[in-house]
Amino acid sequence: QSVLTQPPSVSAAPGQKVTISCSGNNSNIGNNYVSWYQHLPGTAPKLLIFDNYKRPSGIPDRFSGSKSGTSATLGLTELQTGDEADYYCGTWDDSLIAAVFGGGTKLTVL
Amino acid sequence: QVQLQESGPGLVEPSQTLSLTCNVSGGSISSGGYYWSWIRQYPGKGLEWIGYIYYIGTTNYNPSLKSRVTMSVDTSKNQFSLKLTSVTAADTAVYFCARELHSSGYWEVDFWGQGKLVTVSS
Repeated sequence: QSVLTQPPSVSAAPGQKVTISCSGNNSNIGNNYVSWYQHLPGTAPKLLIFDNYKRPSGIPDRFSGSKSGTSATLGLTELQTGDEADYYCGTWDDSLIAAVFGGGTKLTVL
Repeated sequence: QVQLQESGPGLVEPSQTLSLTCNVSGGSISSGGYYWSWIRQYPGKGLEWIGYIYYIGTTNYNPSLKSRVTMSVDTSKNQFSLKLTSVTAADTAVYFCARELHSSGYWEVDFWGQGKLVTVSS
């Protein structure tokens, strides 16, 4: 059971947009920045978003992040088949004194 | 570009100690400012943060694993290691080494290794 809650799966057609939610509480998302990761099984996960909405160099602006209260959202626009992957949110939890993650969301581009 | 690579046995017997090493290239562990961590992914795909070590040896472990975890760093070899004692089948997972940034209010992992599958079985 993951500390942060994500939908198990989302899907959309190529060229469309999708959002992935990440829900927590005041000990984690409510009091700390959120980061998002893209993971293709068998490869190294990739940092997509940090500090709630910032993108590392090389990450296209089709990827966006936002946070409100104890929830965060990852947005993807102009979907491509290459975006099919598992997406995870992560943050620090002040009560658990540990980093915590969501259970992951599998994105399917139909 | 920092690269991390995990190495170690892929099969560990129950009650034994899991030992993994992470070799870092493209950057020095001793440069400071970053924490070197271990994260595992269960077969059901959930991620669990195991803990981190700083280049001077300071550690911070997940309280849920603290009694069984030891991390160490070898700056001369630019690598760091994980030991997890008394393993059971529940410790079967893909183990990632990673570089993380952590300060008051923020935490993130900017580089990950590809992961090492470790199976606990007799």
